Amino acid sequence: QKEVEQNSGPLSVPEGAIASLNCTYSDRGSQSFFWYRQYSGKSPELIMSIYSNGDKEDGRFTAQLNKASQYVSLLIRDSQPSDSATYLCAVRGNAGNMLTFGGGTRLMVKP
Amino acid sequence: NAGVTQTPKFQVLKTGQSMTLQCAQDMNHNSMYWYRQDPGMGLRLIYYSASEGTTDKGEVPNGYNVSRLNKREFSLRLESAAPSQTSVYFCASRNRPQGAGANVLTFGAGSRLTVL
Repeated sequence: QKEVEQNSGPLSVPEGAIASLNCTYSDRGSQSFFWYRQYSGKSPELIMSIYSNGDKEDGRFTAQLNKASQYVSLLIRDSQPSDSATYLCAVRGNAGNMLTFGGGTRLMVKP
Repeated sequence: NAGVTQTPKFQVLKTGQSMTLQCAQDMNHNSMYWYRQDPGMGLRLIYYSASEGTTDKGEVPNGYNVSRLNKREFSLRLESAAPSQTSVYFCASRNRPQGAGANVLTFGAGSRLTVL
């Protein structure tokens, strides 16, 4: 079982809708959680980080963390075609230095 | 401010050839990483260096060696390339500032390697 799991998609949503991306992880001791966006042919870029249970909002993005359920999600409100990309969930465990990535979810926002 | 620079951007090798991927960062970061990315697999850690003078294995170290030449540079070497090493390789670096931005990875543009 992969340590960080994501549905590979593609997830297709219409422009203006809410896109919901999900991620589960196996290491119960994990402390830090990140969402990276990766456009085709480009390198990943950090869009959100979350460290404690609950919601964290940044503009159109909301990260949600539930450590009891070992579940992280990313909501994108008012989705735009420019949000079309692969979204990578990443988790840092207790060891500190290693960041484990999920396989990524491809999001397609249709005009 | 270039961030993380990787060379080469593209490389084609024949099975059994060797090559070194170079990575340099100008952000005075302590930690540096080499990942490979294959379709549907996300990013998998090959090796990392928590600080100058140290290196450690990641998830998929077999077939690779690394050198942390100094604080700025971290190279990845394939001694005898195999078709299974066809991938996109990303170098990344990380500092450990307190507060906002802590633990953020900054990635290079990637190196696409094909082994025939």
